[in-house]
Amino acid sequence: EPEVTQTPSHQVTQMGQEVILRCVPISNHLYFYWYRQILGQKVEFLVSFYNNEISEKSEIFDDQFSVERPDGSNFTLKIRSTKLEDSAMYFCASSDQGRGTGANVLTFGAGSRLTVL
Amino acid sequence: SQKIEQNSEALNIQEGKTATLTCNYTNYSPAYLQWYRQDPGRGPVFLLLIRENEKEKRKERLKVTFDTTLKQSLFHITASQPADSATYLCALDDYGQNFVFGPGTRLSVLP
Repeated sequence: EPEVTQTPSHQVTQMGQEVILRCVPISNHLYFYWYRQILGQKVEFLVSFYNNEISEKSEIFDDQFSVERPDGSNFTLKIRSTKLEDSAMYFCASSDQGRGTGANVLTFGAGSRLTVL
Repeated sequence: SQKIEQNSEALNIQEGKTATLTCNYTNYSPAYLQWYRQDPGRGPVFLLLIRENEKEKRKERLKVTFDTTLKQSLFHITASQPADSATYLCALDDYGQNFVFGPGTRLSVLP
C-alpha cells in the first residue's frame, strides 16, 4: 500500500533555530498539505500546495513558514526561526484530487514531532 | 463563527455494543464530510466519505449518516471491538473553506 513518509520522526531544537521537515508524498498524487497538531489539540490546517505553488494557507502559516518541492519527490516545510509554541506534531498529507471534487481523500504520514526548547 | 463539534471528548463502551459518534457543524456548507481514525502518535487514517446528497454510507461495520438540515453527521461502529479504540475525527470540505477537522472523540471499547 503506498504511503506518505516523513522525516525526521522527532526533532528537538533550540528556540530561534531553523527547522526543515521533510515529506515524500505518494508518487502519483498532485496535491500536498501540511497540518499540525499541538499535543491534546485538534489537527489544524497549515498550507496546501499544487502545481509548484501554494494554493491555500491558514493564519498559522505566517512569514516564518515556507514550503518547497525541491525535486519530483520531496515536499518540505521550513520554519525559519522556531518559537516555543511551534512545538507540535507536523503531518504531511497528499491527495490525487483537488478540493471540492467530492473525492479529496487525504493520506497522511506518520508525522514529525517537533520539540522547541 | 464557524465551528465543528464532536459530541464528547471521550466515549467508553462495552465490547460488542454499537458506538455512535456525533459531528455537528455551524456556518459551514460542506460539499462532503469525511471520518478519519487517529491512533496515538500517528497521522489520521481515512475511513469513510459521504457527500451532501447522500443520506447514509456503509463500509463493513461502519456506517455514516449525513443530515445537512440538522448540520450533523453520525458515525456508527457496530459490534465494537477493543481494536476499534482510537480517536475519531470528522472533517469537512466546505466549498469556500479549507479542509478542516473536528476536535475528535476518543473511543475506548472495553473488553
